Amino acid sequence: QQQVKQSPQSLIVQKGGISIINCAYENTAFDYFPWYQQFPGKGPALLIAIRPDVSEKKEGRFTISFNKSAKQFSLHIMDSQPGDSATYFCAASMDNFNKFYFGSGTKLNVKP
Amino acid sequence: DAGVTQSPTHLIKTRGQQVTLRCSPKSGHDTVSWYQQALGQGPQFIFQYYEEEERQRGNFPDRFSGHQFPNYSSELNVNALLLGDSALYLCASSLKVGGNQPQHFGDGTRLSIL
Repeated sequence: QQQVKQSPQSLIVQKGGISIINCAYENTAFDYFPWYQQFPGKGPALLIAIRPDVSEKKEGRFTISFNKSAKQFSLHIMDSQPGDSATYFCAASMDNFNKFYFGSGTKLNVKP
Repeated sequence: DAGVTQSPTHLIKTRGQQVTLRCSPKSGHDTVSWYQQALGQGPQFIFQYYEEEERQRGNFPDRFSGHQFPNYSSELNVNALLLGDSALYLCASSLKVGGNQPQHFGDGTRLSIL
């Protein structure tokens, strides 16, 4: 059973556009939701994370929107750039466990 | 400040063999987690080590075992290798205190089984 479901599998966005990636979870015990960015040949790098006591968190061009009642959260990349082209993973964990459940990933391609 | 380092970067083995992968955590971190990432998939949690003991384990068979040393570095051992074990193996380190500390990943070991 997949704990975190991610969509879309792939995404093509024009430079300057907004990229949106969605994730949904089932386990209401999850209370920490990070997003990771992974380039080919590299390990995942933490982008931004949110806890369910807030509905939105913004860091630069990256924003997480969180809907606790719907058990959904999303990553918005504003003013997308070709350098943002990578695979993005959402994840979830329960406090003090540090065991992360990852989504299946979204391959983002930002066209110049 | 060195991040998480893993060795080797690539490894080729045949079915039935055994393999050991190594990880040095980010400076100051005391917890090491191992993940398996199949091609085109998200990382899957194998197990976590803290204070030289396995603290949590994912849905992986006993062929997968590990160890953590007093300097917090860690090894992942896989016995009786199967073709399906071909994957990128990622090590992540974090600080246990406080819970849900950010995990820092290494660049992984690419394991290919022939």
